[in-house]
Amino acid sequence: EAGVAQSPRYKIIEKRQSVAFWCNPISGHATLYWYQQILGQGPKLLIQFQNNGVVDDSQLPKDRFSAERLKGVDSTLKIQPAKLEDSAVYLCASSLEPGVANTGELFFGEGSRLTVL
Amino acid sequence: AQRVTQPEKLLSVFKGAPVELKCNYSYSGSPELFWYVQYSRQRLQLLLRHISRESIKGFTADLNKGETSFHLKKPFAQEEDSAMYYCALMRTGRRALTFGSGTRLQVQP
Repeated sequence: EAGVAQSPRYKIIEKRQSVAFWCNPISGHATLYWYQQILGQGPKLLIQFQNNGVVDDSQLPKDRFSAERLKGVDSTLKIQPAKLEDSAVYLCASSLEPGVANTGELFFGEGSRLTVL
Repeated sequence: AQRVTQPEKLLSVFKGAPVELKCNYSYSGSPELFWYVQYSRQRLQLLLRHISRESIKGFTADLNKGETSFHLKKPFAQEEDSAMYYCALMRTGRRALTFGSGTRLQVQP
């Protein structure tokens, strides 16, 4: 089974530039998450989608971050304009509909490492 | 708001020694707790969940609601256990996880 795919793996930009990350979840997974992981910290949820609807974006800095999942499959996370503190690994994850057997099991991608100079 | 605390950034033990990775949480409801692991050059993946009461790769974790803890234990560490371990909490009715800051386990030969 193919895992969660993310691209690009690495990106270096200057502050105030823009960047976009792409995620393709595991086929059939209705729920998609974007997490931000700053060096030395655990992953922090930015946004959660259920199919193409937003479930939770309470921690997304909406003045500069945006995300979409137009057809309920792939998703794009954009940062514009980037700040130095946005340097982090951006992790995409997906999960099945909840059930006792799979509750809490998120499948993660390899992540996209962003460096803002 | 919910919070997960892992007080140790690094835990170094010798092969064959017991291991305990600490996790404490704060949440007013009834949480579900998980341990995730990231081996070198691999993706973050689920290790175990408290509702399953399972032992995975010799690791166990018991949810202690009185002490709001979910410590991960293994009686005899192996070198292949070296990895980053994250404790995570899921709120009632939600699916997203709140993660702790992680503990790096280093098992020396």
